[in-house]
Amino acid sequence: KNQVEQSPQSLIILEGKNCTLQCNYTVSPFSNLRWYKQDTGRGPVSLTIMTFSENTKSNGRYTATLDADTKQSSLHITASQLSDSASYICVVPSRPPNAGGTSYGKLTFGQGTILTVHP
Amino acid sequence: DAGITQSPRYKITETGRQVTLMCHQTWSHSYMFWYRQDLGHGLRLIYYSAAADITDKGEVPDGYVVSRSKTENFPLTLESATRSQTSVYFCASSEQGTFSYEQYFGPGTRLTVT
Repeated sequence: KNQVEQSPQSLIILEGKNCTLQCNYTVSPFSNLRWYKQDTGRGPVSLTIMTFSENTKSNGRYTATLDADTKQSSLHITASQLSDSASYICVVPSRPPNAGGTSYGKLTFGQGTILTVHP
Repeated sequence: DAGITQSPRYKITETGRQVTLMCHQTWSHSYMFWYRQDLGHGLRLIYYSAAADITDKGEVPDGYVVSRSKTENFPLTLESATRSQTSVYFCASSEQGTFSYEQYFGPGTRLTVT
């Protein structure tokens, strides 16, 4: 069964501090992994998509890493800001059998890590 | 450029009533999706559509009906609402399938069934 597990469930940090969120997945076969940010009362917004061959990818103060061998990904937030308070969701699509990249691949969503940044 | 919109944003309805949630996207994306989000669960797929007039069930389709007569619209209907359908509903779209293409989510509809 495909699974995506995130840790911690919640995290509280002070503004300006760094933090790292974890994602472990068992989705197979694997092609890419996505991190989304979901602000309270809003829909998820993509932060980054990492393919099998990428180890690190940055988007401003957000840096995602991927270890396809251990099936782990992390999202590192540098110099946190109050606006970083949100839920961060790890998502992994499954490769549809006998189909190409334009097909539907079932997305397995993690339950998210709720990050709270305090002033 | 509105992107992907949902209406209404908030809805309160009574058990047994029919309710329709609307989703509209302006990108002409082929794929559209409906998810529900509940505490303790990740986003769960209700239905998806690969193109106009092509729909398929997701993980939790019971009690829901969808249609897609136009590429840009993907309404979700609860034929006889139950309290267990109280949730936040998100519509999403992607240019092609989800395997390689990014999904874009709408702002959500918070539905309460009393």
